[in-house]
Amino acid sequence: QKEVEQNSGPLSVPEGAIASLNCTYSDRGSQSFFWYRQYSGKSPELIMSIYSNGDKEDGRFTAQLNKASQYVSLLIRDSQPSDSATYLCAAGGGGSQGNLIFGKGTKLSVKP
Amino acid sequence: DTEVTQTPKHLVMGMTNKKSLKCEQHMGHRAMYWYKQKAKKPPELMFVYSYEKLSINESVPSRFSPECPNSSLLNLHLHALQPEDSALYLCASSQVRGLNYNSPLHFGNGTRLTVT
Repeated sequence: QKEVEQNSGPLSVPEGAIASLNCTYSDRGSQSFFWYRQYSGKSPELIMSIYSNGDKEDGRFTAQLNKASQYVSLLIRDSQPSDSATYLCAAGGGGSQGNLIFGKGTKLSVKP
Repeated sequence: DTEVTQTPKHLVMGMTNKKSLKCEQHMGHRAMYWYKQKAKKPPELMFVYSYEKLSINESVPSRFSPECPNSSLLNLHLHALQPEDSALYLCASSQVRGLNYNSPLHFGNGTRLTVT
C-alpha cells in the first residue's frame, strides 16, 4: 500500500516566522513530489514541484527532497496570515501505475 | 484565474435526478482527471483520461459515468446518486505522465455537489 504521511496539525506559527511542513512516503519508486495549498472550501493550488534530491526555492517557498530518507519538506519563510491553509503533499512514480498519492494534509495557521 | 474551468460551481440534486459536471482546460494537456474530495480528506482519484481514452477507473460505482468528448473537455454524468456522494468534485489536467515521473496536476475550482 503506497502511502504519504503528513502531520495533520494544526501547525501554528507567528507572522514572520518560518513554517516547516514535513512529509514522508512509502514507495521508493516515487520520483515526483508536489506541494499543494488548499484554502477551506477551495480547490488545491500547486505551490511547488520537486524531482531531484536537494533544495528548490521559489520566492518564500523552499521544497526539500531526500530520496534516501523518503522525506519531503516545505519551508515557508516570512509566513503571512494569508498562508493559513491546508498543505497537501503528493508523490508519484510515473508510468502506468504511478498515480499521485496525496497525504492527508497539514493545516497551517499563521497568527498575526 | 484558473485555466481549468468547472461548471457548475454548486449543484443540488435529488437521488432520482440525472445531472452532469463539466470541465474545460486550455492548457494543451492530454491527461484529464476526476477527483472526489470529502471534508478534511485528501482528493480521491476517480478516473483518468489519457489522449481522450479512459486509462484508469478506480472502481468507481456505475452511477458515475465519465466522458471525454475531446482533448479539452471532460464530463462526469451523474445518475441515481446517494447522499454519501455529496462532496467537492475536482477536475484536473496535466501533461501525460512520463515513464518515471509525474507532471503536476492543475485543478479546476471544483463543483460542490449536494445530494438530497
